Amino acid sequence: DSGVTQTPKHLITATGQRVTLRCSPRSGDLSVYWYQQSLDQGLQFLIQYYNGEERAKGNILERFSAQQFPDLHSELNLSSLELGDSALYFCASSPRPLGRYNEQFFGPGTRLTVL
Amino acid sequence: DQQVKQNSPSLSVQEGRISILNCDYTNSMFDYFLWYKKYPAEGPTFLISISSIKDKNEDGRFTVFLNKSAKHLSLHIVPSQPGDSAVYFCAASVEYGNKLVFGAGTILRVKS
Repeated sequence: DSGVTQTPKHLITATGQRVTLRCSPRSGDLSVYWYQQSLDQGLQFLIQYYNGEERAKGNILERFSAQQFPDLHSELNLSSLELGDSALYFCASSPRPLGRYNEQFFGPGTRLTVL
Repeated sequence: DQQVKQNSPSLSVQEGRISILNCDYTNSMFDYFLWYKKYPAEGPTFLISISSIKDKNEDGRFTVFLNKSAKHLSLHIVPSQPGDSAVYFCAASVEYGNKLVFGAGTILRVKS
């Protein structure tokens, strides 16, 4: 158990809909990262927040947005869903945004299926 | 453009033998490399890492080797155990950077 929690575990929805994925980082970790893993591919970095502020953006679609709240939990909002958005979405946390040792600790993921 | 490549989709080894997983990268700015292990229905678990100032890092049965000139790293597992059967991801980052760039993963099967 990494200490990172994600809800829900599974989500099935229809095209055009909007969903929210939630992540709680490890206790004390200020940085939250979101990654997307499509079928048989590696994890693709989406976005990072540190202590409530956006720090880095990756290949995140304009239909997707995220935020980190004062209690440090984070939400990833996916809207106007398309079939291709079906994937595993992972959240990770680390104690600091920058540093020589950048181990990130991953949650169990949310499996999103868009029908 | 895949900056981190794991060219072997799968690897099968006998219990007790050595498992060698390989990873190549193209971005010379990468200076910190990590290996993660992933079981089905779980998130990736951090295994071992290496900074570019080293060429080897060892932790128990796991050793990571880095060849900067070849832009190549490998993970050695000795001896391999059935519980090591999982997907192994290589990842890289820039020192003081934020995101990790992952390879596509290698499925390791350790046969007993």
